[in-house]
Amino acid sequence: EVQLVESGGGLVQPGGSLRLSCAASGFTFSTYWMTWVRQAPGKGLEWLAKINQDGSQKHYVGSVKGRFTISRDNAKKSLYLQMSSLRVDDTAIYYCARDLSSGWFLGGWGQGTLVTVSS
Amino acid sequence: DIQMTQSPSAVSASVGDRVTITCRASQDISSLLGWYQQKPGKAPKLLISTASTLQSGVPSRFSGSGFGTDFTLTINNLQPEDFATYYCEQANSFPYTFGQGTKLEIK
Repeated sequence: EVQLVESGGGLVQPGGSLRLSCAASGFTFSTYWMTWVRQAPGKGLEWLAKINQDGSQKHYVGSVKGRFTISRDNAKKSLYLQMSSLRVDDTAIYYCARDLSSGWFLGGWGQGTLVTVSS
Repeated sequence: DIQMTQSPSAVSASVGDRVTITCRASQDISSLLGWYQQKPGKAPKLLISTASTLQSGVPSRFSGSGFGTDFTLTINNLQPEDFATYYCEQANSFPYTFGQGTKLEIK
């Protein structure tokens, strides 16, 4: 069974940094593209970043480019999101997700971790 | 970036009804369109990939169609567990983008 467990969320001041982690189990982590998606309170889903199997390809949405960095450690079966220069509007639940084996779409999701940016 | 526009933003329906949700892309995305269901407090769940491929375990009352810029999600014979928010997502070009969501409410 695919399991994705996010951690690292919490309260951070504007301008601060935070590193989210996503621990994967139940599948061969190193063979899947992985994605971060967020959802602000009461709002819709926002696709943030995607990374390929060996970490050589990374793609970001414009609103986080230059501030957020997606990475992975296949030996540790873990996905990361390093977030810096955080703003109040980065407040959201952050989900990690795994592609389908056929690619493109998000066939498995974690439960999410809440990031609150506030002074 | 490709804009995804869903309509309606909200719809009320009764158990047993048929509901159709549409998703329009701002440019041609071929068939690279997925549909997700999200219930309150839960992570989204993929229902349909590549516009019309039903995921394993998803009831057959869900169906998807479309190609290019216009897509639909149809739910036949609505069941109580179908009341949720639905999102489309394009996976044709980076950054991938979601529609704004359609909330399906009980009438």
